[in-house]
Amino acid sequence: AQSVTQLDSHVSVSEGTPVLLRCNYSSSYSPSLFWYVQHPNKGLQLLLKYTSAATLVKGINGFEAEFKKSETSFHLTKPSAHMSDAAEYFCVVSDNAGKSTFGDGTTLTVKP
Amino acid sequence: DTGVSQDPRHKITKRGQNVTFRCDPISEHNRLYWYRQTLGQGPEFLTYFQNEAQLEKSRLLSDRFSAERPKGSFSTLEIQRTEQGDSAMYLCASSGLGGRGRYRAETQYFGPGTRLLVL
Repeated sequence: AQSVTQLDSHVSVSEGTPVLLRCNYSSSYSPSLFWYVQHPNKGLQLLLKYTSAATLVKGINGFEAEFKKSETSFHLTKPSAHMSDAAEYFCVVSDNAGKSTFGDGTTLTVKP
Repeated sequence: DTGVSQDPRHKITKRGQNVTFRCDPISEHNRLYWYRQTLGQGPEFLTYFQNEAQLEKSRLLSDRFSAERPKGSFSTLEIQRTEQGDSAMYLCASSGLGGRGRYRAETQYFGPGTRLLVL
């Protein structure tokens, strides 16, 4: 069994300040972990993916995530928020068959 | 545009009617997944195919739901005798074992979804 908990349903930051979106996972095997972003009325877009090659994963648009096995966490960060980052973010864990379990999402608001 | 297309993008129907959605995955992908997303929630897994074989179905997929992938290419999801609780966004995703071009191996690429409203 696998599960994902996104610790914050809403995060609000000012433009130019750091972003931290928190995610904890549970899995009975070595998981694949993902972050997806969903803009209003748009499809899910892959931000980044962890597959055990490196614990610090770099994604698109300046986002990064660090896999910490001891903490079962996969938090998403960005050094400086941009207005265009405002969206819904999903942390995802997948099993070997690719069946994905999504968190409930974190809504990121970026204030000017 | 991820390369996964879904049709229609929107569907309004009356309770009790049947609806069918189509998904065209990325052509070289052998796995195809269906998810359902309700307002304020993350997508929930419904079912997946490897080539034409349906390998797993979620308990969310009641007897009124059926999915097919007859030739291992496109897939259809049919809902019979729709209920208001079926109103949701239905998402399709595809993945392949080998990465190629801009597509990463074993990574799901999602279509834009079909938004269903049952009146």
